[in-house]
Parts: sequence; structure tokens; C-alpha cells
Amino acid sequence: GQNIDQPTEMTATEGAIVQINCTYQTSGFNGLSWYQQHAGEAPTFLSYNVLDGLEEKGRFSSFLSRSKGYSYLLLKELQMKDSASYLCAVTIEKLSFGAGTTVTVRA
Amino acid sequence: DGGITQSPKYLFRKEGQNVTLSCEQNLNHDAMYWYRQDPGQGLRLIYYSQIVNDFQKGDIAEGYSVSREKKESFPLTVTSAQKNPTAFYLCASTPSGASYNEQFFGPGTRLTVL
Repeated sequence: GQNIDQPTEMTATEGAIVQINCTYQTSGFNGLSWYQQHAGEAPTFLSYNVLDGLEEKGRFSSFLSRSKGYSYLLLKELQMKDSASYLCAVTIEKLSFGAGTTVTVRA
Repeated sequence: DGGITQSPKYLFRKEGQNVTLSCEQNLNHDAMYWYRQDPGQGLRLIYYSQIVNDFQKGDIAEGYSVSREKKESFPLTVTSAQKNPTAFYLCASTPSGASYNEQFFGPGTRLTVL
């Protein structure tokens, strides 16, 4: 299997920035995805990194370092609606998901 | 509109009964997947199918069965052999078996076994 580690919970203030880290140990790695999941709902796709570096998409950015087995998701200008679980997923033959990081945004 | 449907949203069954969860997609996607999610945990892959009439076991296939007779449909049967079936079940699809980077998910079925 793959070891995918991410923090369990994070709390931040509305308007702030939060960085969610994800580390993985696997072979045959193809890429890394981030998904957002609101409570009781299905995950929705946020980003996919296959090359090293930062990919920016509006308020969300995702970074990957293949040599370090490390990725992060950066959420800027936090809004209350960003309160959700964020899942890191490693692509090998198929997707393998981390346990998710629950982000709580407070006013 | 295109999408993935799962029904019902909530399902209750007695222990020892088999139950089948439906998953239908009209996205013309080749590959379909079933995941299980337990509280505080990530998604775990049960079964996946990359083409009609073919499917493979995922990481936790024991106690489950699937069929893929049509491209649009990928039903999951939770059998009485599954030790702890109460969970949130999610179906997903991708355009082809190689497009693992973005999966499209259905709304999920929350199964409770009493």
C-alpha cells in the first residue's frame, strides 16, 4: 500500500491563508490530486500535479516535490464556505486517498 | 445535464441481508469505481471497472460484488459476508481508465445495517 499522511484538523480565520501538507511514500508514482469534501457530500476535484512546482488556480494553489514525496494545498483569502475536508490522493495504477484534513474557518 | 446518480441517499437493512447500491452515469465514461468511506477516514477502493464486462478488485473487495453489463451502470452488492457494512458508499467515474487525475463522484449512499 501507500503511506499518505496529512494533518487531521486545522483551524483558521476568515480572510487568512492555510497550508495543508501531504507526504507520501510510494513507488510508481504518477501524480497527486487534491479533492474537497463538504460534510455528507461527495468529493469534488480541486487540482492535479504531475510535475514539480506550484499550480495556481484562483484562491487555491497546489505544490508538488516528487523527490521529497511532499505536496501542499494552499487556500488563500479563506471564506466560511471553505470549511470542509481536503483529501490528498496519490495516483499510481489507481487513486489512493489520504484520511483527509478537516479545515474549520472561523469568523 | 450529465452526471452520476446514486440511489437511494439513505438505506437501512437488517443484518444478514444482501443489498445492492445503484450507480448510473450518463457522462459516457469508460471507467467506474466504488469507494467506501468511514468516519474520519479517507476513501478506500472496493472495486473498479475500466471497460464493460470487466472489473478488478480494489483494496477491500471482500464481502462485496459488482457487475458491469452496461457502460452506464456499475451496481455494488453488499453481501452478508461483509463484516461491517455500515458506511458511506461513493461511486465515481473517469473518461478512461487512464484518466485517474480527475474523478467525478456521485452524491453517495449512506448504508446503515441494523
